[in-house]
Amino acid sequence: ETGVTQTPRHLVMGMTNKKSLKCEQHLGHNAMYWYKQSAKKPLELMFVYSLEERVENNSVPSRFSPECPNSSHLFLHLHTLQPEDSALYLCASSPNGQGEETQYFGPGTRLLVL
Amino acid sequence: RKEVEQDPGPFNVPEGATVAFNCTYSNSASQSFFWYRQDCRKEPKLLMSVYSSGNEDGRFTAQLNRASQYISLLIRDSKLSDSATYLCVVGRSNYQLIWGAGTKLIIKP
Repeated sequence: ETGVTQTPRHLVMGMTNKKSLKCEQHLGHNAMYWYKQSAKKPLELMFVYSLEERVENNSVPSRFSPECPNSSHLFLHLHTLQPEDSALYLCASSPNGQGEETQYFGPGTRLLVL
Repeated sequence: RKEVEQDPGPFNVPEGATVAFNCTYSNSASQSFFWYRQDCRKEPKLLMSVYSSGNEDGRFTAQLNRASQYISLLIRDSKLSDSATYLCVVGRSNYQLIWGAGTKLIIKP
């Protein structure tokens, strides 16, 4: 299944590094999401974009910086991360961001911060 | 209190048995309800939406009880391939889905 793709699949970075996560959706959706999933915790919504405009930002530290250049692509820029930021970062999309819509997820980027 | 609560399990169930999970939510204004399934080291995928009238999809039945603010998932004739974590999800408003931490199910031969 290639509806939502994410790269890289795995990433190890030091606390002083800068890296970016990429997400691309091929479903023609208008809404895209970044989630963080830590072990044994619920998915935490980080950012939501609708038609390339950020519509939600759930108190995420500024060391995470999203970018949505068009409705098919979403980036998450990372800098000066902390070890507690190690987690699975999931990208998702949905048709229009309505609450009753199914969200389609990418495979995730498993991030380890040393 | 968490907005969406689930028993983390694991539920260890023999193949062929029936198993049921509940999930409670705290916001009475919640409008949409879902069960997602997440396999080990994979992304979540929609299992089924949950409607007020209840709905069934093959061996899976979902029910919503608005008065008591819980949703349930029933799996009949469980298969080894049903082993996964089942995530309860509640839609609070546009863009906002609130996720439970999941119930782990292990089906044993």
